[in-house]
Amino acid sequence: GQNIDQPTEMTATEGAIVQINCTYQTSGFNGLFWYQQHAGEAPTFLSYNVLDGLEEKGRFSSFLSRSKGYSYLLLKELQMKDSASYLCAVRDLKGDNNDMRFGAGTRLTVKP
Amino acid sequence: DAGVTQSPTHLIKTRGQQVTLRCSPKSGHDTVSWYQQALGQGPQFIFQYYEEEERQRGNFPDRFSGHQFPNYSSELNVNALLLGDSALYLCASSLAPGQGVISGNTIYFGEGSWLTVV
Repeated sequence: GQNIDQPTEMTATEGAIVQINCTYQTSGFNGLFWYQQHAGEAPTFLSYNVLDGLEEKGRFSSFLSRSKGYSYLLLKELQMKDSASYLCAVRDLKGDNNDMRFGAGTRLTVKP
Repeated sequence: DAGVTQSPTHLIKTRGQQVTLRCSPKSGHDTVSWYQQALGQGPQFIFQYYEEEERQRGNFPDRFSGHQFPNYSSELNVNALLLGDSALYLCASSLAPGQGVISGNTIYFGEGSWLTVV
């Protein structure tokens, strides 16, 4: 099975940088995903990592270390609209398995 | 390019009743997954449908069942509703298993169906 752990809540200041960590255990890793979810809305895709290293997409970057079962999402130049929950999700490699399992999410509050 | 669409958006049911939720996948996708998201929690995987068959199932009782139609749309049925079934039910679509290797075969969510059981 998969255990996906991430902090429950974080607070940061507008314009700052914040790093949201995620650790996971999986029997057959096949990709790690980050989603953003604003209150009352559906999750939207942010980033995908399958190889070790950093993937950068504008203000958002995601890092993966498969040997450590660890990822982080880095948000730069924080804006008020970045206040949301950030979900870490892992896809397991089991034959044709195509489902993803999610962590409980990290609720980020950006303050002025 | 139509995204994932779900209906109804909101509904209220009584304990013991049955509910059917519907989902149409994103254009070009043929795989549908259903998730339950309780308040303050991450989405929990219910099951996945591909080629009109249930391919994967999470830790949910048999009261939760589904169906996929030839046009790839899907239904989630929940029987004998309990108060604890109150949640946001999310449908997600993706390419077939093994496809979209470079992109990781990302799943895309619909807006969800808010179910309240009273």
